[in-house]
Parts: sequence; C-alpha cells; structure tokens
Amino acid sequence: GAVVSQHPSWVICKSGTSVKIECRSLDFQATTMFWYRQFPKQSLMLMATSNEGSKATYEQGVEKDKFLINHASLTLSTLTVTSAHPEDSSFYICSALGLAGSQETQYFGPGTRLLVL
Amino acid sequence: SQQGEEDPQALSIQEGENATMNCSYKTSINNLQWYRQNSGRGLVHLILIRSNEREKHSGRLRVTLDTSKKSSSLLITASRAADTASYFCATDGRDDKIIFGKGTRLHILP
Repeated sequence: GAVVSQHPSWVICKSGTSVKIECRSLDFQATTMFWYRQFPKQSLMLMATSNEGSKATYEQGVEKDKFLINHASLTLSTLTVTSAHPEDSSFYICSALGLAGSQETQYFGPGTRLLVL
Repeated sequence: SQQGEEDPQALSIQEGENATMNCSYKTSINNLQWYRQNSGRGLVHLILIRSNEREKHSGRLRVTLDTSKKSSSLLITASRAADTASYFCATDGRDDKIIFGKGTRLHILP
C-alpha cells in the first residue's frame, strides 16, 4: 500500500529555534499534501494544504509566517516551525493524496512529535 | 464543522470480548478510513472502505458502511490488551480535505 514517511519522528529544541519536518510519499507521487496538528487528547486539526509548485493554503488561524510550508517536489513537502515556542509543542502529522484503486484518498505519515523547551 | 464523529467517546471491555465503535458523518463521501493511535504514537491506517462497499474485513477487524445513514462501524473481535488505543474514523470532506472525528478511546481490561 501507499507509504508516507516523516522525518524526524521526534524532535526537542530550544525556544526560538526553527525546526524543519519532512513529509515524503515513498511509492507514489503526491501533488497535494496536508499538514495537521494534534494537541493531547484532541483530534487532528488541519493546518494547511500544500500543493506542489505553488503556495500553500493555510487554514484560518494558522500563521503562514510561523509555519512555512514548501512542496518543491511530487514526493516531498516540508513544514518549518520558525522561532518555535513551548506552545508549538505538539504532534504534527502530514498526509499525501494518492490513489486507492481509481479513487483518490489520503495516506498519513506516522507523525512528528515536537517538544519546545 | 466536524465531518466524522465517533461514538462512544470511551469504551472499556474485557479482554476477549468484541469492541464496536461507530462513526457518523454529515456529507457524502468517496471513502471512509479507520485509524488507530496508540498513546504517544502516530496514526496507523487500519482499513479503507469505499462508498460503494458495504463491508470489509481485515484480520480481526470488520468495518461496515451505511451511506444511507451516513454511518460506519468498526468491530474488533476477540479483543486483546494490545488493542488498547484511540480509534479514529476519517472521511474525505470538501476539497479533498480529510476530516477526523475526535476518536474513541478503547481500553481493554485484563
């Protein structure tokens, strides 16, 4: 089946530093990828839609200058948390649009846990 | 607005019993997926069922889909301690955005 990877799976950083998270579709090309965020005991919240070769579309309330998204190739999207603060500590999950048979569907990465000290 | 909504929110059963979780959604879908999330871990894809399918099996998992009622159920048979996790249904909403429900926390008692 379709596989999506994320790197790193775990990151701890100091407040004020920037952290880059990679999302890769391993065995398929994805023109569209999504970035989600999950706070403890809450459901996933969509942050932004990443389209290859164009600017990401951010959901309301998500700061685009804070969460930089780059989708430079059909298999890679990156999320950079700039000047991270403790409140940015969360679980970040990406997904990529692929095909299930002839039906387009999303496949999720395993997530990246970010802890900002 | 939330597309997928699971119930119950929490479920505790004895090991060996069957666990059933339900998911309801609001608008038409192309497919519905179930995911498991162990505490502190990422999502694990369990099963995908398409809108033209009514039932699907995978090991001890059985998923049903009733598009007329806009609902799906996930049945885990002969539960094990390792099944303790949160289970989410996810449906594709508008603009291909997938929407997760809040999940059902399943606890298998020894």
